[in-house]
Amino acid sequence: DQQVKQNSPSLSVQEGRISILNCDYTNSMFDYFLWYKKYPAEGPTFLISISSIKDKNEDGRFTVFLNKSAKHLSLHIVPSQPGDSAVYFCAAPNKYIFGTGTRLKVLA
Amino acid sequence: DTGVSQNPRHKITKRGQNVTFRCDPISEHNRLYWYRQTLGQGPEFLTYFQNEAQLEKSRLLSDRFSAERPKGSFSTLEIQRTEQGDSAMYLCASSLLSGRNTGELFFGEGSRLTVL
Repeated sequence: DQQVKQNSPSLSVQEGRISILNCDYTNSMFDYFLWYKKYPAEGPTFLISISSIKDKNEDGRFTVFLNKSAKHLSLHIVPSQPGDSAVYFCAAPNKYIFGTGTRLKVLA
Repeated sequence: DTGVSQNPRHKITKRGQNVTFRCDPISEHNRLYWYRQTLGQGPEFLTYFQNEAQLEKSRLLSDRFSAERPKGSFSTLEIQRTEQGDSAMYLCASSLLSGRNTGELFFGEGSRLTVL
């Protein structure tokens, strides 16, 4: 039972454009979500979080949107930079369930 | 460096052997987690400790797996009678639980296990 799903395994975006990474969840009891970024040969690092009482949280070039009725969240990166190329995971706090990840490639 | 430290970083072993991984969390963190990650998948929860108490274990953690955190500081994950399906990256993470906030996880770089 995949409670957190990332249906796009990969995404390629031109440098300077917007990257949008999506995540769907099934458990409406989740009350906050986190995004992690992972470079090869490194552990995941925390990027940004959002509480269910909000529908948006912004931190610099990164914004996370939460649509509770659709059980959907998205991570926007703008402008995208080559250094953003990594695998991005969304996670739910219930036993820290992680999605399967989306590999972002930002093309220079 | 005061981050989460894992060793060894890489371990190659023959099927049937036992292996042990060690994790040193961030010193003031009271929670410690073990995850397993295989290619193309996200980290899968295995178990977590709050201080020295192991509070939860995933059904993924068969009886060949055992984890300890004897003094509430470092932790070990032992896999007995390894199988080829155990080949994966084993990730350790720690967090500081405070009030309602379970805290963001700080991950180590992982220990990659290859079972031949």
